[in-house]
Amino acid sequence: AQSVTQPDIHITVSEGASLELRCNYSYGATPYLFWYVQSPGQGLQLLLKYFSGDTLVQGIKGFEAEFKRSQSSFNLRKPSVHWSDAAEYFCAVTPGNNNDMRFGAGTRLTVKP
Amino acid sequence: DAGVTQSPTHLIKTRGQQVTLRCSPKSGHDTVSWYQQALGQGPQFIFQYYEEEERQRGNFPDRFSGHQFPNYSSELNVNALLLGDSALYLCASSLAGRASNYGYTFGSGTRLTVV
Repeated sequence: AQSVTQPDIHITVSEGASLELRCNYSYGATPYLFWYVQSPGQGLQLLLKYFSGDTLVQGIKGFEAEFKRSQSSFNLRKPSVHWSDAAEYFCAVTPGNNNDMRFGAGTRLTVKP
Repeated sequence: DAGVTQSPTHLIKTRGQQVTLRCSPKSGHDTVSWYQQALGQGPQFIFQYYEEEERQRGNFPDRFSGHQFPNYSSELNVNALLLGDSALYLCASSLAGRASNYGYTFGSGTRLTVV
């Protein structure tokens, strides 16, 4: 079955520390991959996306993600976390031209001062 | 350039009632998708509208229906409300055939509480 898994429900990091949020997918072919961020009471904002080509993609707010086909993963990273990064992060996939975007359950990020 | 606008922002309904949620897509977008996000969960795809027709549907019962107007705005209707329908309902807009390529633009959602 097609699925998106975010293994970490909640992560806490200190401000200034590095961050990595994990995402694994299960699809027959390489899907289109996205990371979104959601602040409390808000909609989702697109951080970055991957379709093809360079497996390391850069996004907004200093985030990047690396696609690893062999591991079916698309992990989100940031070298130095800011207090304003505290939010819920969602990994999402669409299998090609299918418009059914599937989301993981999300990872809640807490940033300690 | 206005983003995706949803109304109302919050509402409370009683079990068995019907509700209508509204969405205006981002300027230039012609496709609207609806998602249900239960507390602590990721968004779940309800359906997508393009050219005033339902183009694709997720695993939701027929109590959930929608409509798209000629100006691309959309409504989500839910009949016979259940307590389990309590959630944040998100509207996302995109360009036809490019949803996968460019991702969606999401509204801030409508928080529905069923009591």
